[in-house]
Amino acid sequence: DADVTQTPRNRITKTGKRIMLECSQTKGHDRMYWYRQDPGLGLRLIYYSFDVKDINKGEISDGYSVSRQAQAKFSLSLESAIPNQTALYFCATSDHTRAFFGQGTRLTVV
Amino acid sequence: DAKTTQPPSMDCAEGRAANLPCNHSTISGNEYVYWYRQIHSQGPQYIIHGLKNNETNEMASLIITEDRKSSTLILPHATLRDTAVYYCILNAGGTSYGKLTFGQGTILTVHP
Repeated sequence: DADVTQTPRNRITKTGKRIMLECSQTKGHDRMYWYRQDPGLGLRLIYYSFDVKDINKGEISDGYSVSRQAQAKFSLSLESAIPNQTALYFCATSDHTRAFFGQGTRLTVV
Repeated sequence: DAKTTQPPSMDCAEGRAANLPCNHSTISGNEYVYWYRQIHSQGPQYIIHGLKNNETNEMASLIITEDRKSSTLILPHATLRDTAVYYCILNAGGTSYGKLTFGQGTILTVHP
């Protein structure tokens, strides 16, 4: 079983729709992150959270929001999806040495 | 976090050592050199990290120059499954082990 689980793995949605990507982890880490990856590029940080009461914007937070429902759960929402949010999304956790990534959610906005 | 420079692509024959270079001439004294890899759009996978000493684990070796301005990741016996994008990332640690600045990395292709 994966330590960092993302759902759904693939999603196609229409422009203007609200969509939520979910992430859960069994590693017991306080720190969680959401990244976005566009084709041929490296990952970019959207939001991160160091504990349940802590939410921080990353490099590219516009158009996104997050919710940290519990230590193990961190959700990313697109309030009104647009085509240029089509990308691969990764959730991650970290301990005191490294990051651990989920398998990704491929989101297509049409 | 400071920036790194990596070659866009490299090839390696299966069974041979793969040596992936990374330049980080503006590295700060408290920044570690981290290597992650991403296999075919899967989530990035941690490989190894170091501050100033050479490091080795079950996956790879990391050689950091004495002035810390460059480093080399070594996969001693590359296999086809090592074909991936390899990212060299500087990270100061502390509260930021998961706040990673990814460049475009090096696409390593291991061929039979």
